[in-house]
Amino acid sequence: EDQVTQSPEALRLQEGESSSLNCSYTVSGLRGLFWYRQDPGKGPEFLFTLYSAGEEKEKERLKATLTKKESFLHITAPKPEDSATYLCARGGGYNKLIFGAGTRLAVHP
Amino acid sequence: NAGVTQTPKFQVLKTGQSMTLQCAQDMNHEYMSWYRQDPGMGLRLIHYSVGAGITDQGEVPNGYNVSRSTTEDFPLRLLSAAPSQTSVYFCASRDRADTQYFGPGTRLTVL
Repeated sequence: EDQVTQSPEALRLQEGESSSLNCSYTVSGLRGLFWYRQDPGKGPEFLFTLYSAGEEKEKERLKATLTKKESFLHITAPKPEDSATYLCARGGGYNKLIFGAGTRLAVHP
Repeated sequence: NAGVTQTPKFQVLKTGQSMTLQCAQDMNHEYMSWYRQDPGMGLRLIHYSVGAGITDQGEVPNGYNVSRSTTEDFPLRLLSAAPSQTSVYFCASRDRADTQYFGPGTRLTVL
């Protein structure tokens, strides 16, 4: 069964305090590993797609990396506006997405 | 481009009532899908469509019906609402680069 597990469930950071979010996934039949950001009351917003181990992508203070079993979302010097829920999803057959439960990030000034 | 639009934003139903959640996209994407999001759980796929006239079941299809008569529209029908269907529903469409674009969601409460 395809599974995606995200940790931690919640993370509280001080502004400028760098950290990483983890996403572990079932490997068989992987067709992409996706990261989304979701603000309260809104739909998920696409951040990154990773396809192969060793691949990295960056956007502002965010960098996503992929290994054979896990993906990490590194947040460097976060700001309060980075507060959101970050969702990880694995792509499968017909590009169905299997989502993790998300990590709720709060960045305090 | 408006992207993916959903109506209504909020809805309250009584058990046994039926309704249709509307979804439209103006990006000419072939692939569209419906998810539900419940507290503490990831988004779960209800139904998806790879093009007009073609639909298939996702992970949690029971109690829901879909059709795809045009590329733009992908409505989700609740046949006989149950309290277990209280959730936030998201529609999404996917481009050729595998990026899925989500709508703003419909918050449904079934009493």
